[in-house]
Amino acid sequence: GNSVTQMEGPVTLSEEAFLTINCTYTATGYPSLFWYVQYPGEGLQLLLKATKADDKGSNKGFEATYRKETTSFHLEKGSVQVSDSAVYFCALSDRGSSYKLIFGSGTRLLVRP
Amino acid sequence: DAGVTQSPTHLIKTRGQQVTLRCSPKSGHDTVSWYQQALGQGPQFIFQYYEEEERQRGNFPDRFSGHQFPNYSSELNVNALLLGDSALYLCASSLLQGASTDTQYFGPGTRLTVL
Repeated sequence: GNSVTQMEGPVTLSEEAFLTINCTYTATGYPSLFWYVQYPGEGLQLLLKATKADDKGSNKGFEATYRKETTSFHLEKGSVQVSDSAVYFCALSDRGSSYKLIFGSGTRLLVRP
Repeated sequence: DAGVTQSPTHLIKTRGQQVTLRCSPKSGHDTVSWYQQALGQGPQFIFQYYEEEERQRGNFPDRFSGHQFPNYSSELNVNALLLGDSALYLCASSLLQGASTDTQYFGPGTRLTVL
């Protein structure tokens, strides 16, 4: 079945450092890929998405490219801020499973001033 | 434009009780999905409602049931509560009919504590 694997956290960075959070997926069809962010005590916010191979999703300085050849969707940001501290979830959905979202286990990011 | 709303925000119940959680989808959306997020884990799909019917179900027991109303809002019911049902319950809405994308937008969640 479909699945998503994320790198273990927590990831601790200093402000203005470069961020990479790895995400790989297993899917039988052609899924859409998503990154969601969850701030403490809140629900999930959509950060970015990509719906087909080689698409790049971007938002608020974050980027991720849909790589079908490596089944990956790594999240990157060139310069993190303290306000980026949160838990980041990689997820996929596909038509064959009625678009239900399958999530990774989440990666906690802590950015120090 | 209101986003996805959920009520209540927090809820405390005891084992064996029943609970009902409510969700109103984002304006213009016709599909509601429910997820359970245990502490420190990713959300797990419970079920999805479209046109007032359960369209797909995850690996959850029959104690979990739901309903969708003609205005697209939805309820999640859990009977015979267990300690392990303590979690954040998330509602997500999306547009299925005529949609070109499958993006789901989440509400703030209901934190359920079972004592």
